[in-house]
Amino acid sequence: DTGVSQNPRHKITKRGQNVTFRCDPISEHNRLYWYRQTLGQGPEFLTYFQNEAQLEKSRLLSDRFSAERPKGSFSTLEIQRTEQGDSAMYLCASSLGVGSIYEQYFGPGTRLTVT
Amino acid sequence: DQQVKQNSPSLSVQEGRISILNCDYTNSMFDYFLWYKKYPAEGPTFLISISSIKDKNEDGRFTVFLNKSAKHLSLHIVPSQPGDSAVYFCAASALWSGGTSYGKLTFGQGTILTVHP
Repeated sequence: DTGVSQNPRHKITKRGQNVTFRCDPISEHNRLYWYRQTLGQGPEFLTYFQNEAQLEKSRLLSDRFSAERPKGSFSTLEIQRTEQGDSAMYLCASSLGVGSIYEQYFGPGTRLTVT
Repeated sequence: DQQVKQNSPSLSVQEGRISILNCDYTNSMFDYFLWYKKYPAEGPTFLISISSIKDKNEDGRFTVFLNKSAKHLSLHIVPSQPGDSAVYFCAASALWSGGTSYGKLTFGQGTILTVHP
């Protein structure tokens, strides 16, 4: 595995349905981040995990959003009762976070469309 | 509030010439800066970074300059190649000065670079 992977790559759902995305980080990276990107904007931070601990959540992450990282490996992001405003690209990134190595490496993203 | 700003939505240059992409920030707590390149349907790809203790960092054709007093950084690409055509994002982090070292990134809006053959 040479990079961050995300599944699915595309998800179309109807308003009110629940969706779950998965992120597999680079194997030795202990830091994992979720971002959301809408058209014409840069990615916006959603939440951060160090190993299995969720240490920070953005106010963008409403009660309908929940993220987990069991055993400090892959992570899931669930959106309950989706709304049209949730339509966006959801990006996962990981980093090693030691020494001078703080660069975050991004996956290809999951594009969510809520109809 | 937009803490990281890329005021040029697009930039067009000829192959072989220099591309200069600019970025301004307002948060004085930012101490680590990165540039990412993004192609359509792909995630951002890390290009180069610089910490606030430096004012320049080079990696091949890419050089990042940091002016802390002006809260400004720029990415120079020399020489520009058609394959460099992409969206470029500037990102900043309060990696060591923010009270925690979580390293979350704050991104600018991006600049679309087009390099013409």
